[in-house]
Amino acid sequence: DAGVIQSPRHEVTEMGQEVTLRCKPISGHDYLFWYRQTMMRGLELLIYFNNNVPIDDSGMPEDRFSAKMPNASFSTLKIQPSEPRDSAVYFCASTPTSGRGGTGELFFGEGSRLTVL
Amino acid sequence: GQSLEQPSEVTAVEGAIVQINCTYQTSGFYGLSWYQQHDGGAPTFLSYNGLDGLEETGRFSSFLSRSDSYGYLLLQELQMKDSASYFCAVRDRGGGFKTIFGAGTRLFVKA
Repeated sequence: DAGVIQSPRHEVTEMGQEVTLRCKPISGHDYLFWYRQTMMRGLELLIYFNNNVPIDDSGMPEDRFSAKMPNASFSTLKIQPSEPRDSAVYFCASTPTSGRGGTGELFFGEGSRLTVL
Repeated sequence: GQSLEQPSEVTAVEGAIVQINCTYQTSGFYGLSWYQQHDGGAPTFLSYNGLDGLEETGRFSSFLSRSDSYGYLLLQELQMKDSASYFCAVRDRGGGFKTIFGAGTRLFVKA
């Protein structure tokens, strides 16, 4: 089975540009998470969805960040306008409600490494 | 809210045993999980403790004591490939599957 698929794997952009990161969760997984990882702040939960509905976006840093999940197989994280401090690795993860005996195991994509110059 | 504390770095020699501790403060959670992340890679699930006690999976074991707000990951027969970052994480009881991660412990395995 295919895992969580993220694109692009790497993106270099200039400050002020719009960035869109994409994620395809594992089929049948009804939870989807967006995390940001930096050396300084570790793995931060930005937002998560259940059945395509945003449940908690309290980790979204500011209004420049937005996330959508139009259907069960696709989600986007958008940054507009981007700033150098947004440089990080952005991970998407998914999990099924009843997966693995209720452990809540998260299945991560390979991440999107964003560099904002 | 949730907060988790882990040591930033641990160094051990090949073949040895190492324990990575995690203490947490939380208003309620379902269980404690551990993830491994190699440089440039994605976090991968290692283990989960929903109840107090020890869970064993091959060379890795994990322990939870809710009364002490404490858990640990035990790695035995260390191999060079175990050099990685290890994260403890809690699943927030109030938030369903909302999962919060500790800052991670960097493990260096030396020959």
